[in-house]
Amino acid sequence: DAKTTQPPSMDCAEGRAANLPCNHSTISGNEYVYWYRQIHSQGPQYIIHGLKNNETNEMASLIITEDRKSSTLILPHATLRDTAVYYCIVRDQTGANNLFFGTGTRLTVIP
Amino acid sequence: GAGVSQTPSNKVTEKGKYVELRCDPISGHTALYWYRQSLGQGPEFLIYFQGTGAADDSGLPNDRFFAVRPEGSVSTLKIQRTERGDSAVYLCASSSRQGSGTQYFGPGTRLLVL
Repeated sequence: DAKTTQPPSMDCAEGRAANLPCNHSTISGNEYVYWYRQIHSQGPQYIIHGLKNNETNEMASLIITEDRKSSTLILPHATLRDTAVYYCIVRDQTGANNLFFGTGTRLTVIP
Repeated sequence: GAGVSQTPSNKVTEKGKYVELRCDPISGHTALYWYRQSLGQGPEFLIYFQGTGAADDSGLPNDRFFAVRPEGSVSTLKIQRTERGDSAVYLCASSSRQGSGTQYFGPGTRLLVL
């Protein structure tokens, strides 16, 4: 699976949009982009995934660039409960069964 | 519905002892995964079950670690002759189908080896 690069930490004001970037320049055509988050002392939580089109669900939006070498997770109105470590994972659906998490981005939502 | 549950939530043991960690996946999920998370790091894959069989155990660090899933539901991770370096959070996840990237995680078991 392709590797990802994320900033180690970010701050966001409560109520504002949080935009979390991820670089995956070596992504291959059949690899999906997944986002998970891990709130302190909890297990990781699935957020969203996509292949090439932008995706939106009740938690977040995922914007994937046209060349697919980077993506952005958007939390439209961040709340204090969104403070967590966010992991961007690139994964081949037909290959390995595990998820490779990396170290993620620690997002702190500030009141 | 009920999510993935793990017991115990915390385990303190002494170096050299044997421990068992239990995972109850979401009902009906055929795929089950174990991960280990050290402080400040992301979770690292240990082993994957599809049904009763271990389909991929490439992440187990050595032969002191073993996991079973005899009836295709509950799984137990077993660690023999524990070492201080085994201290970590052990996470279990399940998914409804083989190879799914959408995995549902339990809260983890915090293991401390003194």
